[in-house]
Amino acid sequence: KQEVTQIPAALSVPEGENLVLNCSFTDSAIYNLQWFRQDPGKGLTSLLLIQSSQREQTSGRLNASLDKSSGRSTLYIAASQPGDSATYLCAPSSQGGSEKLVFGKGTKLTVNP
Amino acid sequence: GAGVSQSPSNKVTEKGKDVELRCDPISGHTALYWYRQRLGQGLEFLIYFQGNSAPDKSGLPSDRFSAERTGESVSTLTIQRTQQEDSAVYLCASSLSQTSERRDTQYFGPGTRLTVL
Repeated sequence: KQEVTQIPAALSVPEGENLVLNCSFTDSAIYNLQWFRQDPGKGLTSLLLIQSSQREQTSGRLNASLDKSSGRSTLYIAASQPGDSATYLCAPSSQGGSEKLVFGKGTKLTVNP
Repeated sequence: GAGVSQSPSNKVTEKGKDVELRCDPISGHTALYWYRQRLGQGLEFLIYFQGNSAPDKSGLPSDRFSAERTGESVSTLTIQRTQQEDSAVYLCASSLSQTSERRDTQYFGPGTRLTVL
C-alpha cells in the first residue's frame, strides 16, 4: 500500500526566500507524480505533473524533481511571495488499475510580507 | 474553459438521511474520480470511472456509498444512512484520459462540504 509523507508539515518564511518542500513515498511503482496547492475552502490546483520517466518539471518559479527509485520528490519555490501561502500536496499515481492518486497530508506554507 | 463543478457546495444533514452529491467534469474528460478529505486527514480515493469500463470501487468505505456516471458526463455520489464519520469534503476530479498510453493531469472541483449532525 502506497504511503506518502511530506516534510515539513508547516513552514513559515519571509517573502523572497527560496524554499524546498519534500515528499517521500513507499512504492516506487508509479506512473507519475503531481504537486497541488490547496487554498482554504477551495479545491486543489494542479501545479506540476512529472511522468515516471522524467527527472524534473518546471513552471515559472516552481521546479519539481522526481527520484522514483528512492521514492522522493521535491518542490522548489523560488523567490517566494505572500500569494504562495497555501497547503502543498504531493500525490503519486500508482500503477495498476485506476492509477488513483495517493496523497500526503501536505505542507502548510506561510509566506510573510 | 469551464472547470470541474460540484454541487451543492455545502450540505448539512441529519444522521441516517441519504445524500446525493453531484459532479460535472470538464467536457471531453473520460476519466472521473471521487475523493474525500476528512478534517485533519489527507485525501482518500473513493471511486474511479473511465469511459465505459467497469468502475474501480476499491476505495468506497462501506456499502452505504455508491456512485454512478452517465456516459462521460455527470457523476453522482450517494451516501445512504449517513453517519457522523461521513462528515468530510468530497472532491471530484477529471482528466482527459487514463489509459495504458497516456496519463494526464487530474483537475479538481471545489468540493462539497458534508456535515452530518
